[in-house]
Amino acid sequence: DTAVSQTPKYLVTQMGNDKSIKCEQNLGHDTMYWYKQDSKKFLKIMFSYNNKELIINETVPNRFSPKSPDKAHLNLHINSLELGDSAVYFCASSQGESGYTFGSGTRLTVV
Amino acid sequence: AQSVAQPEDQVNVAEGNPLTVKCTYSVSGNPYLFWYVQYPNRGLQFLLKYITGDNLVKGSYGFEAEFNKSQTSFHLKKPSALVSDSALYFCAVVYSNYQLIWGAGTKLIIKP
Repeated sequence: DTAVSQTPKYLVTQMGNDKSIKCEQNLGHDTMYWYKQDSKKFLKIMFSYNNKELIINETVPNRFSPKSPDKAHLNLHINSLELGDSAVYFCASSQGESGYTFGSGTRLTVV
Repeated sequence: AQSVAQPEDQVNVAEGNPLTVKCTYSVSGNPYLFWYVQYPNRGLQFLLKYITGDNLVKGSYGFEAEFNKSQTSFHLKKPSALVSDSALYFCAVVYSNYQLIWGAGTKLIIKP
């Protein structure tokens, strides 16, 4: 069983569209995250979320919004996609000091 | 301010030679330190962590890291490199509520 799974693996879409990326973890972790990895491979935290608190990186445009229907899911919704949104998006989860478990990534290409 | 630095964008090592990927950190209090590896077109995988205890931490795939408090470093090492070790390596440090600050990554290339 995949610990952190995200779908789709690849997403190609046109500018201006709205899209969602789904993430599910079966580890029972309390906290989930979304990261963006750009073409230079730099990891940028976008959101972290647990049962109590959503922490938003203030540099993230408000076109990006996390949605968590329950503790095991943290989906990423993106409105009005722009060319600069093209990147690989990683979901991750963690529990205390155990470190993070990452999904395999979603490669988003905006054309 | 809490920070992590990986001073080398790329490290080249011949297969069979020892390898070192450098990481330095700046945190208040006792650091929790991690190394992750990212293979091409894959997610990040946990390699090892230092929370407390022995300064030499052993991890996956034969890797180890040495915590040096006086030098604020946590360098990743392996005695004998394999071509399959070629990947992108990230160092990270916990800063609050177990959230991580990430280094910029170091590309490790092992040449046969």
